[in-house]
Amino acid sequence: GAVVSQHPSWVICKSGTSVKIECRSLDFQATTMFWYRQFPKQSLMLMATSNEGSKATYEQGVEKDKFLINHASLTLSTLTVTSAHPEDSSFYICSARFPSGGTGELFFGEGSRLTVL
Amino acid sequence: AQKVTQAQTEISVVEKEDVTLDCVYETRDTTYYLFWYKQPPSGELVFLIRRNSFDEQNEISGRYSWNFQKSTSSFNFTITASQVVDSAVYFCALLNQGGKLIFGQGTELSVKP
Repeated sequence: GAVVSQHPSWVICKSGTSVKIECRSLDFQATTMFWYRQFPKQSLMLMATSNEGSKATYEQGVEKDKFLINHASLTLSTLTVTSAHPEDSSFYICSARFPSGGTGELFFGEGSRLTVL
Repeated sequence: AQKVTQAQTEISVVEKEDVTLDCVYETRDTTYYLFWYKQPPSGELVFLIRRNSFDEQNEISGRYSWNFQKSTSSFNFTITASQVVDSAVYFCALLNQGGKLIFGQGTELSVKP
C-alpha cells in the first residue's frame, strides 16, 4: 500500500528554537496533505490542510505564524514550529491523500513526537 | 455541525472476552466515509476499515466486525475473543465532503491476560 513517512520521529529542542518536521509520500503524488496534533490522552485535532503550490488552510485557533506549512512539491510537506515553547510539546501526525476516486484514500505518517524543554 | 462521539473513554476486558466499541457521528453530508483506526502505544495510526455512507453492509474481518447503522448514525466495532495485542486506543473518524477527517475522542482498550 501507499506509504507516508515522517521525519524526525522524535525531537527534543530548547524553548525558543524552531523545529521542522517533514512529511513525504513515498510512492504517490499527494496534492493535499493534512497536519494533526495530538496531546497525551487526547484525540487528533486537525491543524491545517496543506495544498501543493498554494497557501495552507489553517483550522480555527491554529496560529499560522507559529506553525509554518510549506507544500513545495507533490511528495513533500513540511511543518515548522517556530519559537517552540513547552506547550507545543505534542505528537504531530501528517496524512496524505492518495488521488483515487471520490475523496481519495488517506494514509498517515508514523508521527513525530516533539518535546520542548 | 460534524462530530464523532466515542462515549467509552476506557474499556477493560479479560482475554477472550468480546468487546464492542461504540461510535456515533453527526453530519449533514449525504456522502461521507467512516473509519476506524488503531493507535498502539508507539503512536502510529493503523487503518482498520473504511466504509462509505451508501454501504450499510456489515463487515467481518477475522475477529473484527463492524456494524453500520445509518438510521442511528452509529458505526460500532466489535472484537471477538479479544487478545492482549488488541490493547490500544481506537479511533472512529468521519471524512466529510470537504475532505476533512474528524476524529472521535478515542477509546482506550485494555485487554488483560
